[in-house]
Parts: sequence; structure tokens; C-alpha cells
Amino acid sequence: GQNIDQPTEMTATEGAIVQINCTYQTSGFNGLFWYQQHAGEAPTFLSYNVLDGLEEKGRFSSFLSRSKGYSYLLLKELQMKDSASYLCAVSWRDKLVFGAGTILRVKS
Amino acid sequence: EADIYQTPRYLVIGTGKKITLECSQTMGHDKMYWYQQDPGMELHLIHYSYGVNSTEKGDLSSESTVSRIRTEHFPLTLESARPSHTSQYLCASSAPRGTGYEQYFGPGTRLTVT
Repeated sequence: GQNIDQPTEMTATEGAIVQINCTYQTSGFNGLFWYQQHAGEAPTFLSYNVLDGLEEKGRFSSFLSRSKGYSYLLLKELQMKDSASYLCAVSWRDKLVFGAGTILRVKS
Repeated sequence: EADIYQTPRYLVIGTGKKITLECSQTMGHDKMYWYQQDPGMELHLIHYSYGVNSTEKGDLSSESTVSRIRTEHFPLTLESARPSHTSQYLCASSAPRGTGYEQYFGPGTRLTVT
């Protein structure tokens, strides 16, 4: 079976750092993706991890531990425009299995 | 920049009408997908295709049908729309990334059935 868990909602302050966690149990694994989705819009790619460790890209970083079935997305220097839903997705057999998403609200 | 297009962007239609949601991509991707997403809810895969003349049902049962006659085109059809079909429909195509496949999404069609 496929199971991906993320917190439903998080709130953080502009300029702060926030970490969004994702745990997964899937029948296979070809990598883990993070997507950002603003309300009413399509998801857009943020990051991809296939090996253990941290991938950094500007204000966004993503971490993966395959042995623990765990990933997190780290957002630094939060901006109001970062208010969105963040989707964790496991790649398996040409498909992506999505979590329900974490709604991040950034307040001033 | 991914080039995947969906039309119409918004559609309001009465119960019982037949509708076709269009999806096209210019990247030459073999794999394409249709998702259904209600506001604030998760993405549900309803159809996918691995290439021309290949279509499969996704994880969420749907009364819609799809076809794949050309690589670039993956339309979704509802023979008789009902209010329960009101939702956002997202089309995607994918390309290899590492050992997985990255998906590129179209802008979506927001369907309202009255």
C-alpha cells in the first residue's frame, strides 16, 4: 500500500524558518519530490531527492532519509508569497503518489 | 519552462451535457496524467497514459474517459455531466529525473456543473 503523511496546516512568521515534514510508506521508491501549489493554481516543482542527505536551492532545502522513510522541506527567510500548499510526492513506477499537502500560512 | 496547456480554464455547464477537457503538451513526453482536485484537498489520479493508444484508470474511480491518439494530446470526456463532477481537473506530463519521473502540470480546468 501507499501512505504519505504530512501535517495539515502550519503557520509561521515572515522572515522566519519553517520545516515541513513528510513520512512515507510505499511499495517502491524512485525518489521524492516536493511541489508548491498556490490556491487555485497548478503544482510547480520545488525539489527532488533520490539519495540520502540535504539538497539546497536558494531559500529552499530538502532532506531525505530513505531508511527512515522521512523527508523535510526547509524554507528560510519566509516571505508572504510562500503562503501555499506544499505537496510531498513519492515517485514509483512512472507515477507520483502525492500526500494530502501542508497548507503554510505566512503572517506578517 | 514546461509547455502544457489546458482548455477551457473555466467551464460552467448544466447537468446532462457532454464535455471534453483538452490537454496538450509540446515536450514530446510519452507519459501523461489526469488528476482531480477539490479545493483544499489532495490530488487524485483518475487516468494516465504511457503513450499513443495506451490509457489506464487511476487510483480514484471516475466516470470520465480519455483517449490518446496523438502523443501531444490527451483529452478527457464526460458523457453526461453531474454536479458531483464539479472540481478542478489538472493534466500533467512527465519526463525522467534521476531514477524517477518529474511531472509538469497544466494550469487546470475548473469545472462547475449546475
